[in-house]
Amino acid sequence: NAGVMQNPRHLVRRRGQEARLRCSPMKGHSHVYWYRQLPEEGLKFMVYLQKENIIDESGMPKERFSAEFPKEGPSILRIQQVVRGDSAAYFCASSPRAGGTTSYEQYFGPGTRLTVT
Amino acid sequence: DAKTTQPNSMESNEEEPVHLPCNHSTISGTDYIHWYRQLPSQGPEYVIHGLTSNVNNRMASLAIAEDRKSSTLILHRATLRDAAVYYCILLQGAQKLVFGQGTRLTINP
Repeated sequence: NAGVMQNPRHLVRRRGQEARLRCSPMKGHSHVYWYRQLPEEGLKFMVYLQKENIIDESGMPKERFSAEFPKEGPSILRIQQVVRGDSAAYFCASSPRAGGTTSYEQYFGPGTRLTVT
Repeated sequence: DAKTTQPNSMESNEEEPVHLPCNHSTISGTDYIHWYRQLPSQGPEYVIHGLTSNVNNRMASLAIAEDRKSSTLILHRATLRDAAVYYCILLQGAQKLVFGQGTRLTINP
């Protein structure tokens, strides 16, 4: 059973370009989370999606950032008009299911390291 | 989000047990106790989680106090590969993980 896959692993963009980060969850997982880790900082939640729905986007910057998890295909985190402050490691995690107050583990991908020049 | 408190750093020797403490005095009845770790230059890795009873898996054991206000992650025989930042996180349902500073574990050869 393949783990969470993210691509690309490394992405270099010039200021003003767009960055698209992809995440394929583990097989059978329908819940996807995106986290960001700025250099020398902790991990911060960005957005939580289920298939075709954004459940919680409380950690997403208000502008330039968007996320989707279509019925078919990977989840996409899109950053428009990137700036140097967007340089970070972006991690995706997936979880098998959710049910009431029962808690399930999240499995993380290897991350995409975005560098904005 | 209910808060957890962990020591900033701990040190241990290879092949010895390691006990990583976590305090969560404001835990609610439906909060699960999760542990994750992040090795250098890698993504976080799920370690273990539990609600009330102690839990064991191939990676570690989780000992939960009877009043649930504290817990301990136990690595039975540390290896160099266990050097990482360990995070204790309270989670309810399909919530986001809120990472604190964690405990940086150093393993001496």
